[in-house]
Amino acid sequence: EVQLLESGGGLVQPGGSLRLSCSASGFTFSSYAMSWVRQAPGMGLEWVSAISPGGSPDYADSVKGRFMISRDNSKNTLYLQMSSLRAEDTAVYYCARPPRPTYCSGGSCYSDGWFDPWGRGTLVTVSS
Amino acid sequence: DIQMTQSPSSVSASVGDRVTITCRASQVINTWLAWYQQKPGKAPKLLIYAASTLQSGVPSRFSGGGSGTDFTLTINSLQPEDFAIYYCQQANSFPFTFGPGTKVTFK
Repeated sequence: EVQLLESGGGLVQPGGSLRLSCSASGFTFSSYAMSWVRQAPGMGLEWVSAISPGGSPDYADSVKGRFMISRDNSKNTLYLQMSSLRAEDTAVYYCARPPRPTYCSGGSCYSDGWFDPWGRGTLVTVSS
Repeated sequence: DIQMTQSPSSVSASVGDRVTITCRASQVINTWLAWYQQKPGKAPKLLIYAASTLQSGVPSRFSGGGSGTDFTLTINSLQPEDFAIYYCQQANSFPFTFGPGTKVTFK
């Protein structure tokens, strides 16, 4: 069974740092791009960051320069290092995977940009 | 960045009704669009991808259409378990963006 399990959330003061982890199982982790998506309390969904199987990252403008996505394919784990946290970063953070593995053709690689499955999420609260 | 809008923001409906939700992208995204359903306290669930392809295991009463900038999600014969919030998402280019959501409530 495919599973994504986030951890590392909690209460942190403004300006502080936190590292989220997403432990993956039931599939070949190294073959998939992975993403973080967040949802502030009572609000909609916001894509935060993605990383290719080889480690190439992309970020939302709202977190660029403050958050860093990484992965350890040997540990089947995705990370999100968050720093300079703000109140507006308060949200449930979901780890998500596209339905199909990344595929490469003609020297270029492609990943689906939609997500299934998702983890259950981990709550990050930024408050003094 | 590509902005996504949805209408209506909420809709009241009864079991058995047909509900149609519209999503519009601020620029052409071809068919790089997905639809999700989210229930309270749960992660989103992928319903439709590539604008009109039904994800495995999703009931056939859900259907998607459109291309370019305008898309629809239709729920035929609404069931009690369909009362939820529905989001569209563009997957054409980074940063991926979601619509604000449409809440389907019981009339």
